[in-house]
Amino acid sequence: DGGITQSPKYLFRKEGQNVTLSCEQNLNHDAMYWYRQDPGQGLRLIYYSQIVNDFQKGDIAEGYSVSREKKESFPLTVTSAQKNPTAFYLCASSMWTGPPLHFGNGTRLTVT
Amino acid sequence: GENVEQHPSTLSVQEGDSAVIKCTYSDSASNYFPWYKQELGKRPQLIIDIRSNVGEKKDQRIAVTLNKTAKHFSLHITETQPEDSAVYFCAASGANLQGGSEKLVFGKGMKLTVNP
Repeated sequence: DGGITQSPKYLFRKEGQNVTLSCEQNLNHDAMYWYRQDPGQGLRLIYYSQIVNDFQKGDIAEGYSVSREKKESFPLTVTSAQKNPTAFYLCASSMWTGPPLHFGNGTRLTVT
Repeated sequence: GENVEQHPSTLSVQEGDSAVIKCTYSDSASNYFPWYKQELGKRPQLIIDIRSNVGEKKDQRIAVTLNKTAKHFSLHITETQPEDSAVYFCAASGANLQGGSEKLVFGKGMKLTVNP
């Protein structure tokens, strides 16, 4: 749907475990992004990558890590250092020249 | 960095009324302003966008206006329908020195409820 696939849709983990969220795009977009969405907080940028093998921290990168080994893929790892990991995570992509952003359907992560 | 403020946070209207959502931004270098609609549990979808060289853009029942001097932009929805009920996000971004794009900064969103 929309060329960006996030999996799984729902994810449950125990506190203290690392978990990796998948994001794949077939839009041939250069840039990929991870956003976190909490009620009343809007979308906050975690990490973004404009080219393969390069990525930058966004506004709330602490407790998260990413990799960009392939243009099509931008997985996000939520580590045990993230204090409040339960949230809705959205992956997006765009051309290098910029927006519009195309979003995936999101992964809802619940950590108990 | 850029800061985007959006208000109101919630709005309830009767079907057929108009709705206006306002956003302000802080970075005068921002030049791209999209609006996204997000239905419950779904991904945000772009509904309209405007660049800084344009003051107004319209697409059927929705329109966006931009005031660069005041650094604010607004979304106008006319003849609202129940299916317009959703959360609407504004955002802003600029261009970096390398010719690429600066990251999009989003407002906190506004929940619109259209009552039949």
